[in-house]
Amino acid sequence: KQEVTQIPAALSVPEGENLVLNCSFTDSAIYNLQWFRQDPGKGLTSLLLIQSSQREQTSGRLNASLDKSSGRSTLYIAASQPGDSATYLCAVDFSNTGKLIFGQGTTLQVKP
Amino acid sequence: GAGVSQSPRYKVAKRGQDVALRCDPISGHVSLFWYQQALGQGPEFLTYFQNEAQLDKSGLPSDRFFAERPEGSVSTLKIQRTQQEDSAVYLCASSQLRELSSYEQYFGPGTRLTVT
Repeated sequence: KQEVTQIPAALSVPEGENLVLNCSFTDSAIYNLQWFRQDPGKGLTSLLLIQSSQREQTSGRLNASLDKSSGRSTLYIAASQPGDSATYLCAVDFSNTGKLIFGQGTTLQVKP
Repeated sequence: GAGVSQSPRYKVAKRGQDVALRCDPISGHVSLFWYQQALGQGPEFLTYFQNEAQLDKSGLPSDRFFAERPEGSVSTLKIQRTQQEDSAVYLCASSQLRELSSYEQYFGPGTRLTVT
């Protein structure tokens, strides 16, 4: 069964820290991996999309890496801010149809 | 331009009622997806359209769930005889082109369904 797992489920850090969120998936034959942010009561906002042929993507203070052979992706957030507080979701397209399999998310709290 | 919109944003239904949830994708987006998100969980795939064709409905939990996209734009997710376990946020997403692996999915704000 194709599954996506995120650890930790929750994380609390002081403002200014660099942090890493982890995502693992059971099948290395993926087409792409996408990181999303979800604020309470809101929909999902796409942060970064990594194609299967890519190793990483960067956007501002965010950097996502992909290691298909080990079935892992990480989302690195530099110099965290209170506004980064949200739930971060990792999602994998295993089938090249756009159907995404999501992890359960990591809820991040950045304390001022 | 406008993003994906969904209506209603909140719906309270009594057990046994039928509900219809609407999704307006981004104009020109070929692909449309429905997901169900239970409290504290990640979204789970329900069904997927490419234009008006429903290509995958493997995630629909039961035959009480039905989705359509008759003209290849707006989509409706219908749930018949709602049950308490149907309470969740229903998310709609759209994507630009057929080459889905190359493009991001854009999500709407969701419809929160509460069945009492």
